[in-house]
Amino acid sequence: DQQVKQNSPSLSVQEGRISILNCDYTNSMFDYFLWYKKYPAEGPTFLISISSIKDKNEDGRFTVFLNKSAKHLSLHIVPSQPGDSAVYFCAAKGFGNEKLTFGTGTRLTIIP
Amino acid sequence: NAGVTQTPKFQVLKTGQSMTLQCAQDMNHEYMSWYRQDPGMGLRLIHYSVGAGITDQGEVPNGYNVSRSTTEDFPLRLLSAAPSQTSVYFCASSYTPYHRNEEKLFFGSGTQLSVL
Repeated sequence: DQQVKQNSPSLSVQEGRISILNCDYTNSMFDYFLWYKKYPAEGPTFLISISSIKDKNEDGRFTVFLNKSAKHLSLHIVPSQPGDSAVYFCAAKGFGNEKLTFGTGTRLTIIP
Repeated sequence: NAGVTQTPKFQVLKTGQSMTLQCAQDMNHEYMSWYRQDPGMGLRLIHYSVGAGITDQGEVPNGYNVSRSTTEDFPLRLLSAAPSQTSVYFCASSYTPYHRNEEKLFFGSGTQLSVL
């Protein structure tokens, strides 16, 4: 049972345009959400997070939006750059829970 | 800045062999965990530890053992390797899983394991 779902395995975006990556979750106990970025042959690295008390969090070119009623979050990258080409994982956990649950990932390709 | 160090980077095993994947962190993190990454499956939690002497099972623990005798080290043991354990394995750590500003995971660079 996949509790965190990323339904788009891949996404291609022109350089300079907006990239939108989506993530859905089913567990209503999740209240903290994170995005990780992964380059080939490297471990994932933390990108941005959001707590359920917020509906938006920004960090430079990256913004995460959370819609709790729809159990949906999205990562916006503006403007997209070639170095953003990577696999992006959405992850979620509940308060006091030791386990971080990951989605299946979306491969983002930025076209120069 | 070593961070999380995993060894080896690559390993090929025959079915039935045993081996240990090593993981060490130098950030004094309480929490350590092991994930496996498979195509179309994302990252799945195998085992985790919230401190020395404390371990627990994740989503896919069967066929793997762990121990945590020190804060720094968290080895993952494959007792009798099977082809289904062919995967990329990642070790990750954080200060704590219980405080919002301290719980983001730092990952090692991974171990690519093939079981023939």
